[in-house]
Amino acid sequence: AQTVTQSQPEMSVQEAETVTLSCTYDTSESDYYLFWYKQPPSRQMILVIRQEAYKQQNATENRFSVNFQKAAKSFSLKISDSQLGDAAMYFCAYRVSNFGNEKLTFGTGTRLTIIP
Amino acid sequence: EAQVTQNPRYLITVTGKKLTVTCSQNMNHEYMSWYRQDPGLGLRQIYYSMNVEVTDKGDVPEGYKVSRKEKRNFPLILESPSPNQTSLYFCASSPVMERGEETQYFGPGTRLLVL
Repeated sequence: AQTVTQSQPEMSVQEAETVTLSCTYDTSESDYYLFWYKQPPSRQMILVIRQEAYKQQNATENRFSVNFQKAAKSFSLKISDSQLGDAAMYFCAYRVSNFGNEKLTFGTGTRLTIIP
Repeated sequence: EAQVTQNPRYLITVTGKKLTVTCSQNMNHEYMSWYRQDPGLGLRQIYYSMNVEVTDKGDVPEGYKVSRKEKRNFPLILESPSPNQTSLYFCASSPVMERGEETQYFGPGTRLLVL
């Protein structure tokens, strides 16, 4: 079974600084997707960034970028120029790429605090 | 506006009193799913549906039922709620594509407290 591990329950960063959230996963599949979701105090699940395993290039979305290491099964999220609005719980998630149950397997989350 | 809606958003109930949480999407998505979120456990899938009248269990289906009579609706039914079903519930939907490329859209969540 696939598992996703986020080993940092809490992180904090000074406003305008850079922070990296860690995620590792375990799978025997070769084709899959990885995601980072943000959950602010409103509890809404917001997609931050996605990575397709067959693409070697790391995904970027404005201040958010990932470091995808397929052999190491590692998928970290880097937030540059941290802003107060980045404060949230961040979940790493995995989904196998096939026609069927599109279940997302989530990690346990990392709570990010931004220090003004 | 493309969206997934859930009702109610907050619910306090008592053990054993049947309840239904509704989920509706306006994007004509084939795939719909229910997750529950608990502290320290992340989100876990309860049930999913690939299309009308096609449903199957996820990782934590015990104590829950679902139905998919219409494409847009996917209600979650708790026949006899218990305190261990106190949780935050999310409905999600997406199109079904051959390589599973589409991203899931999440509803706003339903916070349930069972006393």
